[in-house]
Amino acid sequence: DAGITQSPRHKVTETGTPVTLRCHQTENHRYMYWYRQDPGHGLRLIHYSYGVKDTDKGEVSDGYSVSRSKTEDFLLTLESATSSQTSVYFCAISESQRGHEQYFGPGTRLTVT
Amino acid sequence: GENVEQHPSTLSVQEGDSAVIKCTYSDSASNYFPWYKQELGKRPQLIIDIRSNVGEKKDQRIAVTLNKTAKHFSLHITETQPEDSAVYFCAASYNNNDMRFGAGTRLTVKP
Repeated sequence: DAGITQSPRHKVTETGTPVTLRCHQTENHRYMYWYRQDPGHGLRLIHYSYGVKDTDKGEVSDGYSVSRSKTEDFLLTLESATSSQTSVYFCAISESQRGHEQYFGPGTRLTVT
Repeated sequence: GENVEQHPSTLSVQEGDSAVIKCTYSDSASNYFPWYKQELGKRPQLIIDIRSNVGEKKDQRIAVTLNKTAKHFSLHITETQPEDSAVYFCAASYNNNDMRFGAGTRLTVKP
């Protein structure tokens, strides 16, 4: 597996609380992505980054923000968690934009009660 | 935006038989089509991909075909084995931006 870690791996939180998930890579890849995976929906892109401080929205970005202050770290923040954000979150990295494969992290299971 | 549909949602085959999973996409600009395998509780892992300038690609027992005119692509697994049992996802994107995934196919290979 590519050098990608996610933390925490599991989290239970209450509605209305802020949550930050971390993705860390040791591959020095330029592109990083956050996806959520829900039954019947496959994987859906939340936000992605194409460099330090360069980010853009994906298909399901409402309620999420991201930051990338270093090449190796990409943070996903839920400002005020809702039950609809209960999901498994995967980070992915890619060397370049031009059709290069994306490698996924181990995932974070988030439960919002 | 791109929309990817995947069929069937579940597929059960006998060991040694072939399995075929089909996907259609809507955006004619899409040029990259990967397939991922995800075992229970694990991360998705890329098993094969194809770019729009190629019609077919093979890797041992796995092959992918692409029909750009019809906007569909398929995954073919021959001589299936129990360890092929997993959920398979197709995806489509233009230069790896905003990749859209199908909903997945749960493949069960019965010994």
